[in-house]
Amino acid sequence: GNSVTQMEGPVTLSEEAFLTINCTYTATGYPSLFWYVQYPGEGLQLLLKATKADDKGSNKGFEATYRKETTSFHLEKGSVQVSDSAVYFCALSKNTGNQFYFGTGTSLTVIP
Amino acid sequence: DAGVTQSPTHLIKTRGQQVTLRCSPKSGHDTVSWYQQALGQGPQFIFQYYEEEERQRGNFPDRFSGHQFPNYSSELNVNALLLGDSALYLCASSLGLAGGVDIQYFGAGTRLSVL
Repeated sequence: GNSVTQMEGPVTLSEEAFLTINCTYTATGYPSLFWYVQYPGEGLQLLLKATKADDKGSNKGFEATYRKETTSFHLEKGSVQVSDSAVYFCALSKNTGNQFYFGTGTSLTVIP
Repeated sequence: DAGVTQSPTHLIKTRGQQVTLRCSPKSGHDTVSWYQQALGQGPQFIFQYYEEEERQRGNFPDRFSGHQFPNYSSELNVNALLLGDSALYLCASSLGLAGGVDIQYFGAGTRLSVL
């Protein structure tokens, strides 16, 4: 079946530290991969996406590369800010118009 | 351009009652999906509506039902509420089959508490 596994949280970092949140997936074929972010009291917002192997999605300093050989889509940021504190969800979608499969989320807290 | 809007924002019900949640999709979107997000968990897919019909369904019992209207807005109904139905219910809209890569846009959700 289709599934997404994320690293366990919570993660606490100091401002300007390097961030990595691991995500691996299981799916047949070639899914599209996404990172969504959820700030307290809000819904999910799309952070970045990649639709095929070796694609790199990027937005607001965050990056993730679609690695088919390792079935991974790890999220990275070189220097985190306090405003990056949120819950991050990795997700996959098999085809256009199909449902999304989400990981359990990783809570990030950035301290000044 | 309004994004995805959901109502109400919060709701408190007792066991056995019925509830209706509402969603208006982002302008131009024709597909609505509903998700249940339990505390500390990722969203779980309930079902998806396209052209006023249920196109896909996740692993949820028949107590969960929905509807899509001609203007693409949607309702989620839950009958015979259980304590375990307490969660954040998220609505997401997308361009469906014509949209290319299926990016789903989420509303802020309805927080349902069942007592």
